[in-house]
Amino acid sequence: EVQLVESGGGLVQPGRSLRLSCAASGFTFDDYAMHWVRQAPGKGLEWVSGISWNSGSIGYADSVKGRFTISRDNAKNSLYLQMNSLRAEDTALYYCAKDQGIVGAAPFDYWGQGTLVTVSS
Amino acid sequence: EIVLTQSPGTLSLSPGERATLSCRASQSVSSSYLAWYQQKPGQAPRLLIYGASSRATGIPDRFSGSGSGTDFTLTISRLEPEDFAVYYCQQYGSSPRAFGGGTKVEIK
Repeated sequence: EVQLVESGGGLVQPGRSLRLSCAASGFTFDDYAMHWVRQAPGKGLEWVSGISWNSGSIGYADSVKGRFTISRDNAKNSLYLQMNSLRAEDTALYYCAKDQGIVGAAPFDYWGQGTLVTVSS
Repeated sequence: EIVLTQSPGTLSLSPGERATLSCRASQSVSSSYLAWYQQKPGQAPRLLIYGASSRATGIPDRFSGSGSGTDFTLTISRLEPEDFAVYYCQQYGSSPRAFGGGTKVEIK
């Protein structure tokens, strides 16, 4: 059974940093691209960042470029999101999501339950 | 960057009725790399449709997707009580993998 479990969320002051983790199990982690998607309270989904299976291809939404860094450790079956210079508008539930396919473009077929990040003084 | 616009924002229907949701892209979505997700309150999104028209594993056949280029549609042939939720489209053919703003299907 595929499982994605996020952790690392919490309350943080504006301008500070936070590192999110996603522990994956139930599939061959290093075969798949992985992503972070966030959802502000009462709002829609926003793709944040994605990373290919070998970390060779990485992308970011404009809203987080230069502040957030995605990474993965295939030996530990884990995905990370380092978030720096946090702003109030980064407050959201952050989901970890898995690409459906091994090769080429693919939608997200499995999602974690999310970890909540609240940026407030 | 592709922007997706979903309409209507809210759809008020009764169980048994047909639901038609629209997703329009600001430019052509390559190879119909368009997906639809369902999200219920307090839950993570669930993949329904990919490749514009292929149902994901375990999705009932009352859900169908169609379209190409810039215009896509999700149709729920007969609404079941469990289908009342928010639906999002997403393009995954280019970065950023944008989502539409969502359509809420509510009980009339």
